[in-house]
Formats: sequence, C-alpha cells, structure tokens
Amino acid sequence: RKEVEQDPGPFNVPEGATVAFNCTYSNSASQSFFWYRQDCRKEPKLLMSVYSSGNEDGRFTAQLNRASQYISLLIRDSKLSDSATYLCVVSPTGTYKYIFGTGTRLKVLA
Amino acid sequence: NAGVMQNPRHLVRRRGQEARLRCSPMKGHSHVYWYRQLPEEGLKFMVYLQKENIIDESGMPKERFSAEFPKEGPSILRIQQVVRGDSAAYFCASSPYRDNYEQYFGPGTRLTVT
Repeated sequence: RKEVEQDPGPFNVPEGATVAFNCTYSNSASQSFFWYRQDCRKEPKLLMSVYSSGNEDGRFTAQLNRASQYISLLIRDSKLSDSATYLCVVSPTGTYKYIFGTGTRLKVLA
Repeated sequence: NAGVMQNPRHLVRRRGQEARLRCSPMKGHSHVYWYRQLPEEGLKFMVYLQKENIIDESGMPKERFSAEFPKEGPSILRIQQVVRGDSAAYFCASSPYRDNYEQYFGPGTRLTVT
C-alpha cells in the first residue's frame, strides 16, 4: 500500500461547480498535512496547510480526519484557473520529510 | 523577497557526462531539500541539507549522486555519469525551520539525458 494515495482523476467539472478530493495516508503517526498545487511542468506551490480543526481560505476548505486517516480539499465556485494537479503531502511526526501523493488532476471547463 | 532559485532550468547531457544542479534557498531559510519527479510520478525526497551538513540522504541513489550545501553559495546536486533513467525534474525546496514546516519550492531543473 502506498504511503499517500490519491485518485489521479482527471476530474472534469464545469465552471462554478464544487469539487472535492480525498487523500488517504497509511502512517498514523503523521503530524503535518498540506495541499500543494502543481501546474503542468511547474513547481509545486503551497495551497494550504491542513489543521486538525479544518481550515478555510476563500473558496478552498481543507479537512483532516485522523480516525480514518484522510484529508480532503473542497473547492467551491470552480474557476478555469483552478485547473491543475493537486498534491497531497503528509509529514510524519517530528520529521522534515514530505511524502507526496501522485496528485489529482482537475480540469475546469468553460 | 526572492523565492527559491534554481539553475539551470533546463539541462541536456549525454550519457556518461556530469550534471550539476544549483539551488539558492529563500532568504532566511537554512534548510534545503531536494526532490526528484519522474514523468507521471509523484515527487520523491532525495536529500536534506543544512549549511555544511548533510542531514539525511536516505532518498539518494547510492552511486553517482551527491549533494552539498557549502557555507557560501548555493546548494549543489551532482549526478555523475548520467544515464537515461536520470531524466527527470529536480526540485529544490527550502524552509526556515525543520520539522513539519512548510516548504517552498524552486522552479526546478529539467534534466534530459540523451
């Protein structure tokens, strides 16, 4: 089983739609969680950290479920510019290591 | 405040040559990480360095790969005697603190081995 698993997609959604991605992780000792966004042939860019209480940044909401070992990302009112690959990142407790999922591709259609 | 800088952005090497990839962290960041992304795969951790120290190189192939972060100047990832399988995007990231902290990525170096 992979340490971090994501549905590769692609998720094709119309503009204005709400879309959600899940990411599961296998190491229960994981401490820190992040969502990054990666555009084609570009570097990953930090979208948001994921806190235990959940957090929201504009149209983006991240949730953490420790019991079931998954994190989620919800995007409301999708824009064309949201088209990208969304990377789930997990960092075990007390380490600097980032463990990346392979990403979920999102295409927002006009 | 300049972000993480990497150069060159694209590098073409013939099999057997050496590749040198450079990374300058963000100002104020003393922790540097190198990752490799193969086509259609996720990023994989290679090595973690602080100034003049390799902290963790557990993700580095045992042979041909080395990394350094000297007191002055950028961090260098060096690949000797490159093979076609080394073709990938190599990303450098930096952070101001170590554990469980946000890492910021440079634009990457795309290495092509012909």
